[in-house]
Amino acid sequence: NAGVTQTPKFQVLKTGQSMTLQCAQDMNHNSMYWYRQDPGMGLRLIYYSASEGTTDKGEVPNGYNVSRLNKREFSLRLESAAPSQTSVYFCASSLDRGGTDTQYFGPGTRLTVL
Amino acid sequence: GQQLNQSPQSMFIQEGEDVSMNCTSSSIFNTWLWYKQEPGEGPVLLIALYKAGELTSNGRLTAQFGITRKDSFLNISASIPSDVGIYFCAGPSLVNGNKLVFGAGTILRVKS
Repeated sequence: NAGVTQTPKFQVLKTGQSMTLQCAQDMNHNSMYWYRQDPGMGLRLIYYSASEGTTDKGEVPNGYNVSRLNKREFSLRLESAAPSQTSVYFCASSLDRGGTDTQYFGPGTRLTVL
Repeated sequence: GQQLNQSPQSMFIQEGEDVSMNCTSSSIFNTWLWYKQEPGEGPVLLIALYKAGELTSNGRLTAQFGITRKDSFLNISASIPSDVGIYFCAGPSLVNGNKLVFGAGTILRVKS
């Protein structure tokens, strides 16, 4: 039981390049989330998926797209990376969408855009 | 939207000391959550609070749900080196579909 896994752990991109961050959970959770963490700003929600087949925007969705591939997997895509997207990205999952449900976080992807 | 303000921003304390940090908001929350993030890892839930005035402990950690519903406190007693990390408060937003709102975090460093 690995919990929430993310790949890659580290990535360096040049401005304008694209990439997809992968996330998978093995806890049979319905809801999955993508956050970014910047110094002094806590975690901000980019996109979330309340259940398989649905996705919704969070607080900071611009420049990102997501795909809920199946119940286990939720990917985040940067189509044209910008330096402002340099951040640490966390995927999380919870049993249901309710805010009181415990969210379990992956180890993060550290992305640098040059 | 609802925002959470954490203080202090950082603390550098001696091993064995007690630690206090708090989280405040200008609007009410019905649930308060405290997470810890260790270096290089994702946040992990420490304590969840569901009722105003509630006091909950988890080992050396104690958290309280403020009576006004606009604040919460986390105390760590007799700190040890493995307490190092960033402590976040969080709560489901009442104006944004129950999505979690996070504070900016309190960075804790411990001198041994």
